[in-house]
Amino acid sequence: SQQGEEDPQALSIQEGENATMNCSYKTSINNLQWYRQNSGRGLVHLILIRSNEREKHSGRLRVTLDTSKKSSSLLITASRAADTASYFCATPRMDSSYKLIFGSGTRLLVRP
Amino acid sequence: GAGVSQSPRYKVAKRGQDVALRCDPISGHVSLFWYQQALGQGPEFLTYFQNEAQLDKSGLPSDRFFAERPEGSVSTLKIQRTQQEDSAVYLCASSTPGPGEDTQYFGPGTRLTVL
Repeated sequence: SQQGEEDPQALSIQEGENATMNCSYKTSINNLQWYRQNSGRGLVHLILIRSNEREKHSGRLRVTLDTSKKSSSLLITASRAADTASYFCATPRMDSSYKLIFGSGTRLLVRP
Repeated sequence: GAGVSQSPRYKVAKRGQDVALRCDPISGHVSLFWYQQALGQGPEFLTYFQNEAQLDKSGLPSDRFFAERPEGSVSTLKIQRTQQEDSAVYLCASSTPGPGEDTQYFGPGTRLTVL
């Protein structure tokens, strides 16, 4: 079963614009992770934010976490065509932290 | 260094055939995971190994699915008597215990199509 739900399901933007994706989850978490998946490639870990953190940055990525609303957002600034991919949020189960529960993903298209 | 590798990258099977999917984790990684990803969906957990021990197989959909990691390195996911609903991408990931949370490193996956 899916823990997280990403919103929107699909997003199309122009190169240089910012892209924002949201993730909502259902149960308490220790951390939330964002992954990227290019066509034909495996998942690449982008960033991890712990439950006691509210915001985290990595290069052009900014992640926020609101545990009271059980939601997270991923912002990609100054997007590039190479950012075209599917983005997934994932949370480890509290009772078995090795088991990642993924959302259904946001498919991002960055038009050159 | 080399990442997680999987073979074959693509597999087409006729319904009823057995298939074996291989995963080579990152050298030295203790933990190994298998996930199943249906088209348009996120990956779903299948099973977890710590070294050669299969500690969790709760995600395996049926007893037709079997995974092993006999020497604590390479792992094989075997699907017997494949059905059309088994068509999916099978992802392998590995990680190693460390301070804080463990990042899972994923391979490129094997796309299985059952006709």
